[in-house]
Amino acid sequence: QVYLVESGGGLVKPGGSLRLSCEASGFIFSDYYMSWIRQAPGKGLEWLSHISNSGSVISHADSVKGRFTISRDNAKNSLYLQMNNLRAEDTAVYYCARAVPAGKRGWFDPWGQGTLVTVSS
Amino acid sequence: DIQMTQSPSSLSASVGDRVTITCRASQNIISFLNWYQHRPGEAPKLLIYAASSLQSGVPSRFSGSGSGTDFTLTISSLQPEDFAVYHCQQSYSLPHTFGQGTKLEIQ
Repeated sequence: QVYLVESGGGLVKPGGSLRLSCEASGFIFSDYYMSWIRQAPGKGLEWLSHISNSGSVISHADSVKGRFTISRDNAKNSLYLQMNNLRAEDTAVYYCARAVPAGKRGWFDPWGQGTLVTVSS
Repeated sequence: DIQMTQSPSSLSASVGDRVTITCRASQNIISFLNWYQHRPGEAPKLLIYAASSLQSGVPSRFSGSGSGTDFTLTISSLQPEDFAVYHCQQSYSLPHTFGQGTKLEIQ
């Protein structure tokens, strides 16, 4: 079974930082692009970033560019999202997802259960 | 960015009904269109990829069609477990964008 489990969410003050993790199991992690996607309360899904299987290709949405950084450790089967200078509008459930097939035109399967990030003073 | 517009935003239906949800892209995305089901408290689940390919394990009552800018997701006979939010997503170009979601409720 393919599993993705996010962790690291929580309550943080505006301007603060948080690092999300996503642990993968059940597949060869280093073969796949991975993405982060979020859903703010009452809003639709928003793609945030992806990283190639080797980590050499990275892309971020404009809304988080310069503040969020995606990375991965294939030896640990883990994906990360470093989030700096957090704003109230970053409050959301954050999901990691595997992109299938490899490449930037894939679909997302599976997704993790999500981790909640709340930015509030 | 490619804008994805779903309609309707919400829909009430009964078990056994046939339901269609539409998704329109702001430009030609060929067939790079995917559909997801999202139940509260669960991970989103891939239903349809590349506009019309049924993901393994997804019941055959789900089907997708369309190309270019106009796409549809059809559920042929609603089951109780189908009441959820449905999202379309384009993977033609970055940033990948989603529709606003369609909430399917029990009538």
